[in-house]
Amino acid sequence: SQTIHQWPATLVQPVGSPLSLECTVEGTSNPNLYWYRQAAGRGLQLLFYSVGIGQISSEVPQNLSASRPQDRQFILSSKKLLLSDSGFYLCAWSRPAFGGYTFGSGTRLTVV
Amino acid sequence: AQSVTQLDSHVSVSEGTPVLLRCNYSSSYSPSLFWYVQHPNKGLQLLLKYTSAATLVKGINGFEAEFKKSETSFHLTKPSAHMSDAAEYFCVVSLPPYNAGNMLTFGGGTRLMVKP
Repeated sequence: SQTIHQWPATLVQPVGSPLSLECTVEGTSNPNLYWYRQAAGRGLQLLFYSVGIGQISSEVPQNLSASRPQDRQFILSSKKLLLSDSGFYLCAWSRPAFGGYTFGSGTRLTVV
Repeated sequence: AQSVTQLDSHVSVSEGTPVLLRCNYSSSYSPSLFWYVQHPNKGLQLLLKYTSAATLVKGINGFEAEFKKSETSFHLTKPSAHMSDAAEYFCVVSLPPYNAGNMLTFGGGTRLMVKP
């Protein structure tokens, strides 16, 4: 069966510090991978998606970047965090033929 | 373009009473529709999905939803609410062709509160 792992679960970082959130998928190959952000009291915002290694599409210009160094690994990064980067970050995967997304358990990021 | 509207941002019910969470979509094509649930500080869990098979879809935890094309609706129901159902619920729509460039569109969410 397929599983998705996302870590860390919570993170408190100072303004201006770097960020690296990692997401890995097991039990499938060539998944589509996604990063979403959920601000407090708001819906989900798609940040990045990837259809293959090294292929990243950005949906929203921002202070963040994403990378896919391996088929089942998706990383969300920032060189310098802003207060507005605080939120709940969710990784998800889907099969190329689709059928719905499977989400990770999320990372609560607080920038102080 | 596709869009999805969850008509209620908050719904409050008493334990043991029925649950109705409303969702309407806008699409020129036959969509795939999903309901996800999110408990506090947790990821989203798929409750059920409609992909052009039976219009009445049964999901986990006793939830079900009915696709009504004439009303462009996909309301989520449960006969009897449990305290553990208290969470945020998202209605989601997607259109073919299914590829990464065809994103899911999320509704704004409905927070379900269950009173003892």
